[in-house]
Amino acid sequence: EVQLVESGGGLVKPGGSLRLSCAASGFTFSSYSMNWVRQAPGKGLEWVSSISSSSSYIYYADSVKGRFTISRDNAKNSLYLQMNSLRAEDTAVYYCATEPGGSGSYYMDVWGQGTTVTVSS
Amino acid sequence: DIQMTQSPSTLSASVGDRVTITCRASQSISSWLAWYQQKPGKAPKLLIYKASSLESGVPSRFSGSGSGTEFTLTISSLQPDDFATYYCQQYNTYPFTFGPGTKVDIK
Repeated sequence: EVQLVESGGGLVKPGGSLRLSCAASGFTFSSYSMNWVRQAPGKGLEWVSSISSSSSYIYYADSVKGRFTISRDNAKNSLYLQMNSLRAEDTAVYYCATEPGGSGSYYMDVWGQGTTVTVSS
Repeated sequence: DIQMTQSPSTLSASVGDRVTITCRASQSISSWLAWYQQKPGKAPKLLIYKASSLESGVPSRFSGSGSGTEFTLTISSLQPDDFATYYCQQYNTYPFTFGPGTKVDIK
């Protein structure tokens, strides 16, 4: 069974840092691009970042560029999001999600359950 | 960035109703559009990709259509399990963007 499990969320003060992890199982992790998507309380979905299978291509939303860093360790079947200089507006549930692969298939077909990040003093 | 809009923002319907949700893109995205369903406290679930392709395991009462800038998600006969919020997402260009969502609730 394909599974994504996020961890690392918690309460952090403004200006602080946090590292999220996403553990993948049930598929060949190293073959697929991965994404982070977040959802602020009571709000809609916001794409945060994408990373290709070999980490050659990385993209960020403008709202996190320069503060967040996406990375992956294919040997450990894991995806990461290093979040620095956190702001109150970064408070959200963060989901990792995978793409199915193939030309033009940049939608997200499998999602984790999410991990909650709260930025507050 | 490509802006996505959805209408209506809320839709009240009854079991058995035919429901249509519209999604518009600020510029052409060809057919690079996905639809997701989300229930409270749960992760989004993929329903439709490439505007009209039904994801495996998704009931056939869900269908998608459109291309360019205008798209629709149709539920042919609303079931109790379908009361949820629906989001469209363009994946034609980075940054990927989602619509604001359409909440389908019980009339």
